[in-house]
Amino acid sequence: GQNIDQPTEMTATEGAIVQINCTYQTSGFNGLFWYQQHAGEAPTFLSYNVLDGLEEKGRFSSFLSRSKGYSYLLLKELQMKDSASYLCAVDRDYKLSFGAGTTVTVRA
Amino acid sequence: GAGVSQSPSNKVTEKGKDVELRCDPISGHTALYWYRQSLGQGLEFLIYFQGNSAPDKSGLPSDRFSAERTGGSVSTLTIQRTQQEDSAVYLCASSPGPDSYTEAFFGQGTRLTVV
Repeated sequence: GQNIDQPTEMTATEGAIVQINCTYQTSGFNGLFWYQQHAGEAPTFLSYNVLDGLEEKGRFSSFLSRSKGYSYLLLKELQMKDSASYLCAVDRDYKLSFGAGTTVTVRA
Repeated sequence: GAGVSQSPSNKVTEKGKDVELRCDPISGHTALYWYRQSLGQGLEFLIYFQGNSAPDKSGLPSDRFSAERTGGSVSTLTIQRTQQEDSAVYLCASSPGPDSYTEAFFGQGTRLTVV
C-alpha cells in the first residue's frame, strides 16, 4: 500500500536473530509503526519511531532512517511464538498506511 | 469499553445483499480507520475519520462501499449489493488523534463471507 515495501516471507531458527526491512516514500512522513499479527487475530502494536535511530524494547528493536525512507524491525532470541506476520505502517499526513506484511516462520 | 469492539464477528451473506458492519472505538479516540484484509494479504486502507473533518474516502474500492461515523464515535461500514470479491476480514482501528503520536488499536474484525 502506497509504496511501503517489505519482504513477503522470512524463516529463521529458534534462538536466532531476524531483521525485517521496510522502505517507504518519505513525503508527508510523520512516523513509522511496526505491528505483529498472528494468524486469525488483529494486529497488535510493537514499536513506534519518529526520530532517526534505534528504539529497543526487550527482544524487539526498531530502527529508522528518515532521509533514506528505511526502517527495520529486529527480533532477537527468536521463540516459536514469534511466528507471525509483521506489518510496517507509515503515518503519512496523519493517516496510517500498511505494507503487505512479512510472514516470519520460526523453526525449532 | 476498554478496547475497539466490532460486530458482528462473522457474517455470511448472499451475493447481492447489503451488509452493515459496526465499530465502537475506544472512548475519546477521535481517529477511526477501516481496513480490509483478504486471506494472506496485508491491510488495505478503506476510509479514515478524524474528528469533525470530512472523512478520507480515498480507499473505498467502489461506490457500493460507504461509511458513517455518528457523533464522532460509532462507525458503520455499509456494503451494498455484495459481491464474492468483498469476502474478507474488515478491521476497524482507533487512535487518540493526530496530535498524539500513539498507536492505533485494532478491533478483532468482522469476517465477511459472500456466497
